[in-house]
Amino acid sequence: NAGVMQNPRHLVRRRGQEARLRCSPMKGHSHVYWYRQLPEEGLKFMVYLQKENIIDESGMPKERFSAEFPKEGPSILRIQQVVRGDSAAYFCASSPEEGVRDGYTFGSGTRLTVV
Amino acid sequence: DAKTTQPPSMDCAEGRAANLPCNHSTISGNEYVYWYRQIHSQGPQYIIHGLKNNETNEMASLIITEDRKSSTLILPHATLRDTAVYYCIVRVVSWGKLQFGAGTQVVVTP
Repeated sequence: NAGVMQNPRHLVRRRGQEARLRCSPMKGHSHVYWYRQLPEEGLKFMVYLQKENIIDESGMPKERFSAEFPKEGPSILRIQQVVRGDSAAYFCASSPEEGVRDGYTFGSGTRLTVV
Repeated sequence: DAKTTQPPSMDCAEGRAANLPCNHSTISGNEYVYWYRQIHSQGPQYIIHGLKNNETNEMASLIITEDRKSSTLILPHATLRDTAVYYCIVRVVSWGKLQFGAGTQVVVTP
């Protein structure tokens, strides 16, 4: 049973380009979460999605950032017109449906570097 | 979700037990205590959770005081690979966002 898969592991983008980060949740998990960790800082929640629905996007920057979790395929975190301040590690996590008490499973992250 | 307080850092000798405290004095009756850790540059890893009874799994033990205002995560025989930041999180439900604080940086030394 594969864990949460994120790709790419490392991504380098020039300022102004777009970054697409992909996350495939664990089999059977219907909830996906994205977190960002800036250098030398803690983990910050960005967005929580279920299939085809955004449940909580209270941590998403208001501009340039978007997320989706389509009916088929991985969840995508999209950053348009990247700036140097977007350089960070982006982690995805997944969890089963409501009512299951186990903790989340996190992926290994995507390290985004904006040059 | 209730706020938690953890010491910023602690050292532990390899092979000894590591006892990580967490205060959650405002915890409510239906809130669980969860522990995660993040080894450098990796994604956070779920360790254990509990409501009021002590819990044990292959990774650690969780001791929750009777009044539930604090808890202790115990790594019974710390190894160098246990060096990580450990996070104590209190929450009602198992889904929805996790609020990570600063955690405790644990360094296991030979």
